[in-house]
Amino acid sequence: GAVVSQHPSRVICKSGTSVKIECRSLDFQATTMFWYRQFPKKSLMLMATSNEGSKATYEQGVEKDKFLINHASLTLSTLTVTSAHPEDSSFYICSARGTYDSDTQYFGPGTRLTVL
Amino acid sequence: EDQVTQSPEALRLQEGESSSLNCSYTVSGLRGLFWYRQDPGKGPEFLFTLYSAGEEKEKERLKATLTKKESFLHITAPKPEDSATYLCAVQSFSGGYNKLIFGAGTRLAVHP
Repeated sequence: GAVVSQHPSRVICKSGTSVKIECRSLDFQATTMFWYRQFPKKSLMLMATSNEGSKATYEQGVEKDKFLINHASLTLSTLTVTSAHPEDSSFYICSARGTYDSDTQYFGPGTRLTVL
Repeated sequence: EDQVTQSPEALRLQEGESSSLNCSYTVSGLRGLFWYRQDPGKGPEFLFTLYSAGEEKEKERLKATLTKKESFLHITAPKPEDSATYLCAVQSFSGGYNKLIFGAGTRLAVHP
């Protein structure tokens, strides 16, 4: 139980293009989803929190217009990195919390983004 | 400000050599403390949640304990497959129900 998937697992794109990452809860309904960024050998940095049907809440210093988050259903959230630049290259991880266990965040496998 | 500090930063063990990882925390009101395991290039895998001082939880070779200031993850007779980064995170009442504050992690390497 409590399985979260992400797609794609890896993406390489050119500078200036936009990239969309999907996060799905496969066997439970996710009332809240979270997006994190992780740099090599560093811990997770929370970017934003989204509740189904509501606007995302972004952490201080995270650009809302660059990192667009949509949580359209109880099983799907998307992160779109708009006009990506090399400094956006990172490991992006989503997590979900919901009907399986209302206290615990369950994480997806992550998406490695490389911007050339 | 809520804060989580993990030690040591890295730990090398021989197979079968038991040890403990430490997670010290400062929060205005602890709602829960979470342990995760992360393998390279993967997302964190949930291990335990602890809510109150004195609580203990076990899973295979791992046991997590909690006091008012810190948590320990005890690894008994580790095997090479236990090699991973172990992350500790806290959730506080004042920080908002949503937020997990993560420590930097302990990188564990178990050698045969």
